[in-house]
Amino acid sequence: DQQVKQNSPSLSVQEGRISILNCDYTNSMFDYFLWYKKYPAEGPTFLISISSIKDKNEDGRFTVFLNKSAKHLSLHIVPSQPGDSAVYFCAASARVFDQGAQKLVFGQGTRLTINP
Amino acid sequence: KAGVTQTPRYLIKTRGQQVTLSCSPISGHRSVSWYQQTPGQGLQFLFEYFSETQRNKGNFPGRFSGRQFSNSRSEMNVSTLELGDSALYLCASSLGRFSGYEQYFGPGTRLTVT
Repeated sequence: DQQVKQNSPSLSVQEGRISILNCDYTNSMFDYFLWYKKYPAEGPTFLISISSIKDKNEDGRFTVFLNKSAKHLSLHIVPSQPGDSAVYFCAASARVFDQGAQKLVFGQGTRLTINP
Repeated sequence: KAGVTQTPRYLIKTRGQQVTLSCSPISGHRSVSWYQQTPGQGLQFLFEYFSETQRNKGNFPGRFSGRQFSNSRSEMNVSTLELGDSALYLCASSLGRFSGYEQYFGPGTRLTVT
């Protein structure tokens, strides 16, 4: 039972264009969502997060959108740069259910390749 | 500020042996979580410790255990190793309960069981 799904295993985008990575979830108890970037042989690097009380959060080139009714979130990267090439994971947690505990449920990841 | 550190970075063990992995969180972080990453299952939550207490656990057998010390450093132990335990084990730290939900990951320990 995969509660967080990233249906696109890979995505290729031209440098300077917008990259849009998508994530769907099934558990309505999730109330906090995060995006991580991962390079080979390194741990995931935190990018941006959003609480379920918001529908958008922006940090520089990165914007996360949350559509609670559709149980869908997306990460927009504008403009895309070659250094953005990595595997991107979305993650979710149910803070209230877990009494604030830090249990993240991850999607399977999307490999983003930025072409020059 | 130093990041999350994990030791050792690489480990090769034989089936049936046991292994202990170590994690030092970011200074001031009181919560430490452990994850297993495999090609087939992705990133899966093992357990989380806060103030030396395990407060959440994933769906892993009892062979996987952990503990946290008073300085927030954490260790993870796997007993009676199986081939399927070969994975990247990641430790993440965060500020903790009801604050600072962002988790920061270490580089991981690559465990190979032969």
